[in-house]
Amino acid sequence: QKEVEQDPGPLSVPEGAIVSLNCTYSNSAFQYFMWYRQYSRKGPELLMYTYSSGNKEDGRFTAQVDKSSKYISLFIRDSQPSDSATYLCAMSDGNYQLIWGAGTKLIIKP
Amino acid sequence: SQTIHQWPATLVQPVGSPLSLECTVEGTSNPNLYWYRQAAGRGLQLLFYSVGIGQISSEVPQNLSASRPQDRQFILSSKKLLLSDSGFYLCAWEPDRANTGELFFGEGSRLTVL
Repeated sequence: QKEVEQDPGPLSVPEGAIVSLNCTYSNSAFQYFMWYRQYSRKGPELLMYTYSSGNKEDGRFTAQVDKSSKYISLFIRDSQPSDSATYLCAMSDGNYQLIWGAGTKLIIKP
Repeated sequence: SQTIHQWPATLVQPVGSPLSLECTVEGTSNPNLYWYRQAAGRGLQLLFYSVGIGQISSEVPQNLSASRPQDRQFILSSKKLLLSDSGFYLCAWEPDRANTGELFFGEGSRLTVL
């Protein structure tokens, strides 16, 4: 079993829809949870960062962490074609080694 | 503001040839520096990380090596490339001693070994 599981997609939704991206993990020591967005042939960029449990909102993006279920989510409201990218989850227990999901490819159809 | 530069962006190399990828960071001091490799459809694999000049930790045994000759310069090298070295190589930096996972990536270097 991988430490982090992420559905690779692709996930295709119409413009304006609410998107839900998810990762599950097995290591209860993880404290830091990140979502990165990666456009084709580009480096990943940090989108959301959450420490421990709870929600964090930034514009159209909301990150949720449920440590009891070992489950994290990223919600995108009013999705736009420019949101089409691969979304990578990553997590850490505070050392240098990030554990990454494989990424979910998201396609927003105009 | 901080910026990260990585080059070359694309290269095609024959098997057995040497490799040198370079990464520099501007606008910060004593960053943690990372080299990752990303295979198609897979997550990121950590290759090397560095917390200071001359301090390199290797995560995966392979024919690659890394060096940090200056505070904000990180170099990935190989003496003889293998076909399996093909991939997308990413350099990243993190604020000094942060270890929180808030990484800032370069644009990447796509290596094809033939």
